[in-house]
Amino acid sequence: AQTVTQSQPEMSVQEAETVTLSCTYDTSESDYYLFWYKQPPSRQMILVIRQEAYKQQNATENRFSVNFQKAAKSFSLKISDSQLGDAAMYFCAYKINKLVFGAGTILRVKS
Amino acid sequence: GAGVSQTPSNKVTEKGKYVELRCDPISGHTALYWYRQSLGQGPEFLIYFQGTGAADDSGLPNDRFFAVRPEGSVSTLKIQRTERGDSAVYLCASSLLGGDYGYTFGSGTRLTVV
Repeated sequence: AQTVTQSQPEMSVQEAETVTLSCTYDTSESDYYLFWYKQPPSRQMILVIRQEAYKQQNATENRFSVNFQKAAKSFSLKISDSQLGDAAMYFCAYKINKLVFGAGTILRVKS
Repeated sequence: GAGVSQTPSNKVTEKGKYVELRCDPISGHTALYWYRQSLGQGPEFLIYFQGTGAADDSGLPNDRFFAVRPEGSVSTLKIQRTERGDSAVYLCASSLLGGDYGYTFGSGTRLTVV
């Protein structure tokens, strides 16, 4: 079975500091895509960052970057200079034929 | 439209009733997906359309759930004989082709069965 595991149900970070959210996945495929989505209270899932499994270089989008370790099947998200607006539920997902999501991590940002 | 639109935003229904949830995808997106999200959980896949046909319906939990996309645009998720366990947020998403660049999601319909 294809699974995504987010081992941190909840994380907290002080405003302006850095936080890392963990994600591991299980697949026997070699070609796939990985994503992090943010879900604020509005419920709409917002794409944060995307990684192609065949690319070794870690993806970066402004304050958001990933640490992709293909052999370890690990895909963590680093948020730098955390802002109050970053507070939300974060979901890791991978895609072969369809998106499969983890259970999510609640991120709280303290001012 | 500019985004994925889902209606209604919230729906309360009595146990045993029939409900329809509507999804209007981004214009030009050929793929459309339905997910179900229970409280505190990640979205779970229900069904995926490519054009008018269901390419993968392996996530539909039982035969009370059915979805259509007759003209390859708007989709309706239909739930018969609703049960309290059907209460959840139903999310719709759309994408170009296979969605390798990610899906665009709507804000979901919160279904409450009382």
